Amino acid sequence: QVQLQESGPGLVKPSETLSLTCTVSGGSISNHYWSWIRQPPGKGLEWIGYIHYSGSTNYNPSLKSRVTISVDTSKNQFSLKLSSVTAADTAIYYCARSSTSYYMDIWGTGTTVTVSS
Amino acid sequence: DIQMTQSPSTLSASVGDRVTITCRASQSISRWLAWYQQKPGKAPKLLIYDASTLESGVPSRFSGSGSGTEFTLTISSLQPDDFATYYCQQYNTSPWTFGQGTKVEIK
Repeated sequence: QVQLQESGPGLVKPSETLSLTCTVSGGSISNHYWSWIRQPPGKGLEWIGYIHYSGSTNYNPSLKSRVTISVDTSKNQFSLKLSSVTAADTAIYYCARSSTSYYMDIWGTGTTVTVSS
Repeated sequence: DIQMTQSPSTLSASVGDRVTITCRASQSISRWLAWYQQKPGKAPKLLIYDASTLESGVPSRFSGSGSGTEFTLTISSLQPDDFATYYCQQYNTSPWTFGQGTKVEIK
């Protein structure tokens, strides 16, 4: 059974870069798309972007200038970098798997990231 | 971006009630719509994809319908485990976008 687990710092200073990793276990990272989604406290869901195992990416234009998603197939991991963070980037960050139809069928448990000095 | 609007935002219902949640898209998304259930402190869980296909393991009391710009999620007989927040998501056009959520509360 495929499981996803996010990891990374829970506190990031304003203007710095948020870095998170999602580890895929119980299955291969190949043949799927892998997304990052975030949820500010008490609010709804925002899709950040995805990466295909081949390395192709698609980002939400609202964040595109600050986002980089990468994949390491040898480690069965993919990662998110979000630069120049502000308090508005404080959220629970989820990683998720998508099929070729792009709905997200498996989600990680989420990790809370707070942007504060 | 395609805007997804859910109604109502909050719904109060009793165990055994039939519940319907509506999701409207700002432009046609064919049948490229998913529904998720989220409980407090938990990740969203996929319920339905392609507007009406039930994800494996999801109880049959959940059903989805619609195409184009109007979609519905129906719970035929609300169970205690169903009190949660429900989100729709379109994946017809990037960026994928979610509705604002519908919270189903105990009446």
